[in-house]
Amino acid sequence: DADVTQTPRNRITKTGKRIMLECSQTKGHDRMYWYRQDPGLGLRLIYYSFDVKDINKGEISDGYSVSRQAQAKFSLSLESAIPNQTALYFCATSDPPGATGANVLTFGAGSRLTVL
Amino acid sequence: AQSVTQPDIHITVSEGASLELRCNYSYGATPYLFWYVQSPGQGLQLLLKYFSGDTLVQGIKGFEAEFKRSQSSFNLRKPSVHWSDAAEYFCAVGTNTDKLIFGTGTRLQVFP
Repeated sequence: DADVTQTPRNRITKTGKRIMLECSQTKGHDRMYWYRQDPGLGLRLIYYSFDVKDINKGEISDGYSVSRQAQAKFSLSLESAIPNQTALYFCATSDPPGATGANVLTFGAGSRLTVL
Repeated sequence: AQSVTQPDIHITVSEGASLELRCNYSYGATPYLFWYVQSPGQGLQLLLKYFSGDTLVQGIKGFEAEFKRSQSSFNLRKPSVHWSDAAEYFCAVGTNTDKLIFGTGTRLQVFP
C-alpha cells in the first residue's frame, strides 16, 4: 500500500457542486499539505497543517477549505466548484525539519479534478 | 520573496546523451534545495536534496546536482540519459517557514 493515499484519483463534477478530496497517510508524519498543479505553473500550496490543531493557508487558499480529522487524515473541500479549479491536486506529508533542515515531502499519486 | 525559476519548459535529448536541467532560485538566506521527478500519472518523487556541506550532491537514478551560491543555481545533471528518465522535473527551495516553493517544471522527452 502507498504511504500517502489520495481518493478519488479522478473526479468529474459540475459547477457549483461540493467536492471533497481525501488524503490518508501511513508515514506517521505530523505535517500534511495540499498542493495544486497546473500546466506551466508548477505546484502551488493551497493549505498546510503542522499538527491536528494547526491549519494554515497557503498561497492560493481562496475557494478551498480543509479538515485535519486525525494525524493521518487531511481532506480538501471545494464548497462550490468552478471550472478554473480544474487541476491535479496533490497531498504531501513530512516530518519537521529537525537537524536536517527543511521538510522532505512524500507525495500521494494525485487526484485529477475536472469541473465542467 | 522566495522564488524558483526553471527556464526550460521542455527539453528533448537522445538516449545516451548527457542532460542538464537548469534551476535558479531567489532566497535571502542559505537555501535548502530539492529536485523532484514526476513520471506520467504519478506523484512526485524526491531525486536529491541539498541542505549543507558538499555542493555536489548525488541522488537516485544516477542524477546529481551542484549548488552554486554565486550563481544562485542548483542544476540537475545526468551523464547518460535512459528512455525511462522521460518525465517532468521540478526544482524546489525550502524556506524558513518550512514550506517548499516549486519551480514551474521542465518536461524531459527522450528519443531512442
